[in-house]
Amino acid sequence: SAVISQKPSRDICQRGTSLTIQCQVDSQVTMMFWYRQQPGQSLTLIATANQGSEATYESGFVIDKFPISRPNLTFSTLTVSNMSPEDSSIYLCSVGDRGRNFAEAFFGQGTRLTVV
Amino acid sequence: LAKTTQPISMDSYEGQEVNITCSHNNIATNDYITWYQQFPSQGPRFIIQGYKTKVTNEVASLFIPADRKSSTLSLPRVSLSDTAVYYCLVGDLNGGTYKYIFGTGTRLKVLA
Repeated sequence: SAVISQKPSRDICQRGTSLTIQCQVDSQVTMMFWYRQQPGQSLTLIATANQGSEATYESGFVIDKFPISRPNLTFSTLTVSNMSPEDSSIYLCSVGDRGRNFAEAFFGQGTRLTVV
Repeated sequence: LAKTTQPISMDSYEGQEVNITCSHNNIATNDYITWYQQFPSQGPRFIIQGYKTKVTNEVASLFIPADRKSSTLSLPRVSLSDTAVYYCLVGDLNGGTYKYIFGTGTRLKVLA
């Protein structure tokens, strides 16, 4: 199974600034994803982080706002750009791997972002 | 990706069996059904996965009827620590996608 480390675990940022969130996996994985979870809500998929190419964004999310890097099979970053209070959420990294079950998606603990 | 529908919330008492049903009418032939549990301030955690009939592990059972248009997660003898949000997810994991679209989830509250 994959172990995911996210940094930072939480941050308070000023509006108009940017924050880069790091996701480190302890093994090489094919698929990496970024989700957002607003307070009291379900998870919303932002994008698929593709190794060596541009990320694939879901409807409602754009590269200028959420640039993503995936330089190798164990690491990815998500940047939340030009932040506003509406960006206050938990951001989670997820990876796909074959666990002890047929297939699993593993999630990091998340980054709790507060924009003031 | 198939859309899932679950009850928004449920209450139960300690020691009872809890059954959470999920509807996935548009499930595709290659889709698997997976349930995740999420505690506050944590990422979702895998509970159980199945394709058809019944699957049981150390924490739960998953019942899937022949038409696969719904599934039921069964938690035996719940405790206070089972209070969490439970998500039913459907995806073509055999294809290696691992990409999930989350529904609303079911917020389970276990009462003493």
